[in-house]
Amino acid sequence: AQSVTQLDSHVSVSEGTPVLLRCNYSSSYSPSLFWYVQHPNKGLQLLLKYTSAATLVKGINGFEAEFKKSETSFHLTKPSAHMSDAAEYFCVVIPREAAGNKLTFGGGTRVLVKP
Amino acid sequence: GAVVSQHPSWVICKSGTSVKIECRSLDFQATTMFWYRQFPKQSLMLMATSNEGSKATYEQGVEKDKFLINHASLTLSTLTVTSAHPEDSSFYICSSRVSGLQTYTGELFFGEGSRLTVL
Repeated sequence: AQSVTQLDSHVSVSEGTPVLLRCNYSSSYSPSLFWYVQHPNKGLQLLLKYTSAATLVKGINGFEAEFKKSETSFHLTKPSAHMSDAAEYFCVVIPREAAGNKLTFGGGTRVLVKP
Repeated sequence: GAVVSQHPSWVICKSGTSVKIECRSLDFQATTMFWYRQFPKQSLMLMATSNEGSKATYEQGVEKDKFLINHASLTLSTLTVTSAHPEDSSFYICSSRVSGLQTYTGELFFGEGSRLTVL
């Protein structure tokens, strides 16, 4: 079985300040991990992914995430928030060895960026 | 990256009518497509997995007679909400992987979503 927990349902930051979105997972298998962003009434866009190579992953729009196996975490960060970063973010896990490779979504974190 | 197109973006219908939502992979072949439902301020809920040329696999609790899925070609899957009622109002999103990639490393590409409002 697998699960994904996004520890904050809402995060509010000021423009220009760092953003931290926390994600913890549990998986019976070695996971692949993804972060997606969703703007209002839109589909999901991939920000970055971890699939077993470097544990520090850089994505689009200045985002990066670090896979920490000992902490079963995959937190997303950005050094300086921009107004356009206001959106919903989803952490997703796929177990590599499991048949079907079914995705599990976290509950989402809504980011508000204040001017 | 690969593009998934979903149509319509918005649809309003009367209670009791049926609505069809299309999901197309524009520049790749999609053996498998996934249909999700998303309630306001909530995460995505997998409804069914659509496989080209065969019957869809529905998640527990999803009515297969209510949500008809057809995947007749490698680039098109459709979701038909039959006899729609106000409780079916939701945001529906499709996604797919590029066929041939190992499923555990290939990311999903998502459509833009379809907002259904049933009056």
